Amino acid sequence: DTGVSQDPRHKITKRGQNVTFRCDPISEHNRLYWYRQTLGQGPEFLTYFQNEAQLEKSRLLSDRFSAERPKGSFSTLEIQRTEQGDSAMYLCASSLEGSKNIQYFGAGTRLSVL
Amino acid sequence: AQKVTQAQTEISVVEKEDVTLDCVYETRDTTYYLFWYKQPPSGELVFLIRRNSFDEQNEISGRYSWNFQKSTSSFNFTITASQVVDSAVYFCALRGNYGQNFVFGPGTRLSVLP
Repeated sequence: DTGVSQDPRHKITKRGQNVTFRCDPISEHNRLYWYRQTLGQGPEFLTYFQNEAQLEKSRLLSDRFSAERPKGSFSTLEIQRTEQGDSAMYLCASSLEGSKNIQYFGAGTRLSVL
Repeated sequence: AQKVTQAQTEISVVEKEDVTLDCVYETRDTTYYLFWYKQPPSGELVFLIRRNSFDEQNEISGRYSWNFQKSTSSFNFTITASQVVDSAVYFCALRGNYGQNFVFGPGTRLSVLP
């Protein structure tokens, strides 16, 4: 049983560039979540998908951020025109509806914006 | 608004000591769910426990135990006979009755010294 996979593990980019991260959830999980975690803080909720539908978005998710889950399996998170304040760990989690909402997390993608 | 407070930023103990990590939450929902996650140095959050608001029974799992008290809005976590492998950041999280927005506390960094 493979866990949640995230790619890449690290990304270094220059300010103003666009970046895209990928998350592959646990295969039977229909719910997928994105979080952002900065140093010394807990994860902050960004958005949630149930199957392919994006059902919740945090106010933290500015219009430079977009997430998709086109076939209800993997998901992508894109950040356009990156800013230094976007530097953080981006975590993906998945869960199975009806499984008490227990979320299983990936190892994250660490983004550094120079 | 929902909020999770973990007042202890860092705790250091010597191996075999007992240690309690505090978690205080705020929510207006009458039904809600509380979680504890462990984030070891590798970075991947590991699920430890889930508790719903109607179940105030304390739980013990090996060296881990949890004390849920609705009267004080607290969900504290105790590790008995701590081990070096328990060194990690521990997060308490809250999910209300509506939506999938999980709110995490800032975490407590536990260092268990040999």
